[in-house]
Amino acid sequence: SYVLTQPPSVSVAPGQTARITCGGNNIGSKSVHWYQQKPGQAPVLVVYDDSDRPSGIPERFSGSNSGNTATLTIIRVEAGDEADYYCQVWDSFGDPPHVVFGGGTKLTVL
Amino acid sequence: QVQLQESGPGLVKPSQTLSLTCAVSGGSINSGGYYWSWIRQPPGKGLEWIGYIYYSGSTFYNPSLRSRVTISVDTSKNQFSLKLSSVTAADTAVYYCARLYYYDSSGYLDPWGQGTLVIVSS
Repeated sequence: SYVLTQPPSVSVAPGQTARITCGGNNIGSKSVHWYQQKPGQAPVLVVYDDSDRPSGIPERFSGSNSGNTATLTIIRVEAGDEADYYCQVWDSFGDPPHVVFGGGTKLTVL
Repeated sequence: QVQLQESGPGLVKPSQTLSLTCAVSGGSINSGGYYWSWIRQPPGKGLEWIGYIYYSGSTFYNPSLRSRVTISVDTSKNQFSLKLSSVTAADTAVYYCARLYYYDSSGYLDPWGQGTLVIVSS
């Protein structure tokens, strides 16, 4: 089955830029979606289709996807961005086809 | 705006069956293009897909759980349900329901329910 690899943790100072990567075999050929999960809360979709934002998500959140790596970028990081972030793709060749999640990355705002 | 809400017992004994329901409000579960999903998250761990169902009743399960999982839909009540049999401590997790938007060989989950913690313990 398809595997997504994320770094366990990323740390960034307030006001700086955070980049969270998601690695997968030829992931650039897939649509990548990103979720933010704050402690004790359900995941929230923050980026879909590599780089689109749902309504209500700040423009500070953006995504890119090419080759074997997709990246979620958060500019001007705020304390409120501290959370776990998960990437997700659709495994069309799975039996059955299904969602696949990365292991998650804990973003710490220093 | 569609909202989902899980309900069910928070404590289940080992070897028994876990049963949860997800009520959908603000939209019809009969809407085409969407599947209705269950995902779980063991304490301190990542997300695991359990399965999903279409309003017609077609179901798709995680192979690792397939022998123990049943997902059903009740369109008259606008809700869908999860049953997981023969539970063990390893099934202790927060269980989420979510709407899966499937399109062009891709799909994402939005929105999610708030989640419900189910503990398996005697």
